[in-house]
Amino acid sequence: DAGVTQSPTHLIKTRGQQVTLRCSPKSGHDTVSWYQQALGQGPQFIFQYYEEEERQRGNFPDRFSGHQFPNYSSELNVNALLLGDSALYLCASTPGGPGGADTQYFGPGTRLTVL
Amino acid sequence: SQQGEEDPQALSIQEGENATMNCSYKTSINNLQWYRQNSGRGLVHLILIRSNEREKHSGRLRVTLDTSKKSSSLLITASRAADTASYFCFAGGTSYGKLTFGQGTILTVHP
Repeated sequence: DAGVTQSPTHLIKTRGQQVTLRCSPKSGHDTVSWYQQALGQGPQFIFQYYEEEERQRGNFPDRFSGHQFPNYSSELNVNALLLGDSALYLCASTPGGPGGADTQYFGPGTRLTVL
Repeated sequence: SQQGEEDPQALSIQEGENATMNCSYKTSINNLQWYRQNSGRGLVHLILIRSNEREKHSGRLRVTLDTSKKSSSLLITASRAADTASYFCFAGGTSYGKLTFGQGTILTVHP
């Protein structure tokens, strides 16, 4: 049973560029959440997707957008990259719909560096 | 608002000793979850305690929950060098938009 997978593992971009990160949830999970973790900080909630719609959103600008596909996989898109977007981006999946009560299963993360 | 504030920020102990870390949160919860993160990797779920439970054990882990004080503690007994990691709590059950992880407790276990 595959766990949560994310791609790519590492990514280097320059300011102003756009990036797309990908996540496949754990088998049987239909809800995907994205987090940003800056160095030395805890993960910060970006948004959550369920039934191909954004259900909840944290305090992130519209430059951060996402998508969920019918197979429950998800993408995180960041436009007009800033130096401050450099971070580890984590994807987590849960079963049973949106909310915050379920155990979250995390992927290994994508390390994004913006130069 | 931010929930899941861990304390202390850093803890350094010798192998075999016990490690205790604390978590405070601000609003009502369905459960309290603890996670571990090894350097630069994804978080791993350790244990979940429901709001109607006061104590829960899993192997060398013991978690307590005091909903009246909005606090939880994680005890790791007989620590091993492999327990070296960052530990985070997550207040489960309310809107994700107001929830996040705190800065975590960095635990270092010296062999």
